Amino acid sequence: AQKITQTQPGMFVQEKEAVTLDCTYDTSDPSYGLFWYKQPSSGEMIFLIYQGSYDQQNATEGRYSLNFQKARKSANLVISASQLGDSAMYFCAMSPDQTGANNLFFGTGTRLTVIP
Amino acid sequence: DTGVSQDPRHKITKRGQNVTFRCDPISEHNRLYWYRQTLGQGPEFLTYFQNEAQLEKSRLLSDRFSAERPKGSFSTLEIQRTEQGDSAMYLCASSSQATGENEKLFFGSGTQLSVL
Repeated sequence: AQKITQTQPGMFVQEKEAVTLDCTYDTSDPSYGLFWYKQPSSGEMIFLIYQGSYDQQNATEGRYSLNFQKARKSANLVISASQLGDSAMYFCAMSPDQTGANNLFFGTGTRLTVIP
Repeated sequence: DTGVSQDPRHKITKRGQNVTFRCDPISEHNRLYWYRQTLGQGPEFLTYFQNEAQLEKSRLLSDRFSAERPKGSFSTLEIQRTEQGDSAMYLCASSSQATGENEKLFFGSGTQLSVL
């Protein structure tokens, strides 16, 4: 069975500062994919970043980076140089293999508020 | 075509009625997914299609739920004999194997269902 834990229900960050959103996971699958999605108040889920369990390097996409620590089963999202538009819910998710985003299992999310 | 389109945006129905939602994926995306999201939770996987074939269904999907994608383009999700517990946001997403980015799901804005 898969489990995603996001322990921070809410986070605040000053504009232009960096922030880390925590995510730990548990799975018995030998290979898996880890994802972060952003959900603004409009409701649409927006893909941010993906990390495969066999990828050696941490994934980066612009201001987003995924701090993947396999032994600790953590996949924290780092947002650098926060902007007001980053205020949203952020969800960590896992797929049971590295072949795609089928059957994603999501955590409960973290609400990020960027303060001007 | 700029994104995944879902119709209607909101649906209010009485318990026991049938409802149907429609999803138009991004054209040329061969994979289509349905998720359900309740307040304060992350989305839960319901089912996914590759072209017109329904490849996976969650155990969450009771026999009152049925999804179709008859021509491999748009999809419909029908809920029969609705119950109050069906009240949720129903999200549709699509992805493309062909582009090599099959880990990237593009979500629609969802259909908010309220069962009275």
